[in-house]
Amino acid sequence: KAGVTQTPRYLIKTRGQQVTLSCSPISGHRSVSWYQQTPGQGLQFLFEYFSETQRNKGNFPGRFSGRQFSNSRSEMNVSTLELGDSALYLCASSISGRTTDTQYFGPGTRLTVL
Amino acid sequence: AQTVTQSQPEMSVQEAETVTLSCTYDTSESDYYLFWYKQPPSRQMILVIRQEAYKQQNATENRFSVNFQKAAKSFSLKISDSQLGDAAMYFCAYRGPGTSGSRLTFGEGTQLTVNP
Repeated sequence: KAGVTQTPRYLIKTRGQQVTLSCSPISGHRSVSWYQQTPGQGLQFLFEYFSETQRNKGNFPGRFSGRQFSNSRSEMNVSTLELGDSALYLCASSISGRTTDTQYFGPGTRLTVL
Repeated sequence: AQTVTQSQPEMSVQEAETVTLSCTYDTSESDYYLFWYKQPPSRQMILVIRQEAYKQQNATENRFSVNFQKAAKSFSLKISDSQLGDAAMYFCAYRGPGTSGSRLTFGEGTQLTVNP
């Protein structure tokens, strides 16, 4: 079974632009979570989607948004990019997002904002 | 809010030796899950081991085992017979019950070096 895939793997943008990242979960998984990883703040939870609905949200500004499609694929969007948005963005999928489920991570998208 | 603390930014071990990575956490919940994830240079997060708080028995996965002390809110990872492939950043993570869903709270990480 294929693992979690994220596209693109690397991205370079300039301040003020917007960006969309994509995550395809493991087949059969309906929950997708997003995390931001930076050297200064570490790993921080962005949001979780389950059955096309946002179920949990971390403490990030409204510039960060996401959505999930009927095939469970998820996208996250960052508008009006800032230098501090440079990070590794990881997504993780699980069967249903229950606390008993194991989350499997993708390889990440490395975003650089210039 | 739940917090996870890893007090060892870096650790090193000789190949074939044993090393223990420390993790403490803070929560008011009684039912939760704890994890150790490994992140090699490829940046792919890999689950190493998980522990359910309601289970008194410490989890074990081959050369990896944990020492879970619920009262002390301590969750350490022991790696036996260390191998070069174990070199990576290790993250301790907490997941709460119910409506917290999939949300993981991570520690700062411990960079493990394995010396040949």
